[in-house]
Amino acid sequence: EDQVTQSPEALRLQEGESSSLNCSYTVSGLRGLFWYRQDPGKGPEFLFTLYSAGEEKEKERLKATLTKKESFLHITAPKPEDSATYLCAVQAEQTGANNLFFGTGTRLTVIP
Amino acid sequence: ETGVTQTPRHLVMGMTNKKSLKCEQHLGHNAMYWYKQSAKKPLELMFVYNFKEQTENNSVPSRFSPECPNSSHLFLHLHTLQPEDSALYLCASSQSLAGGTRSYEQYFGPGTRLTVT
Repeated sequence: EDQVTQSPEALRLQEGESSSLNCSYTVSGLRGLFWYRQDPGKGPEFLFTLYSAGEEKEKERLKATLTKKESFLHITAPKPEDSATYLCAVQAEQTGANNLFFGTGTRLTVIP
Repeated sequence: ETGVTQTPRHLVMGMTNKKSLKCEQHLGHNAMYWYKQSAKKPLELMFVYNFKEQTENNSVPSRFSPECPNSSHLFLHLHTLQPEDSALYLCASSQSLAGGTRSYEQYFGPGTRLTVT
């Protein structure tokens, strides 16, 4: 069964303290892996799409990487405005045309 | 307006009421989606539309009735809901449906926070 697991569930960092969020997945053929950011009371905001193992994408202080079993979202020198819930989602080749399987997210808090 | 908009942002309804949620996308996309987000649970896909045609219904109870009059607008009609239906309802759109090895990112609206009393 297709599955997405994110860890940790919650993470508190001091401003400037770099860390990584993990997204482990099991799908029968990965079509794409997506990272989203969600602020309280708002919809998810698209960050990255990764398609194949070894691929990396960067945006400001965020860098997403992908292996055959997991993805990492690295946050370098985070700032308080990076505080949000980060969601990972995968789309498998064999499932319905656009069924994204989401994880439950990592709630990141960056303390000034 | 830009991106994906949803109205109302908050809705409180009784179990016998009938209400509708509205979504509009200003991105020129062809596919639209409804998701349900409950606390501590992953987003659940409810319905998918492509060029106004419904392509997926993930075993959603009939008290939720979607309508897609064109590629830019999507509605979710609600009637005789249960308290467990209280959640954040999110609308999303994408350029197209995934095909072969190609996947399209989905862009989300701000959601409607629904409370059923």
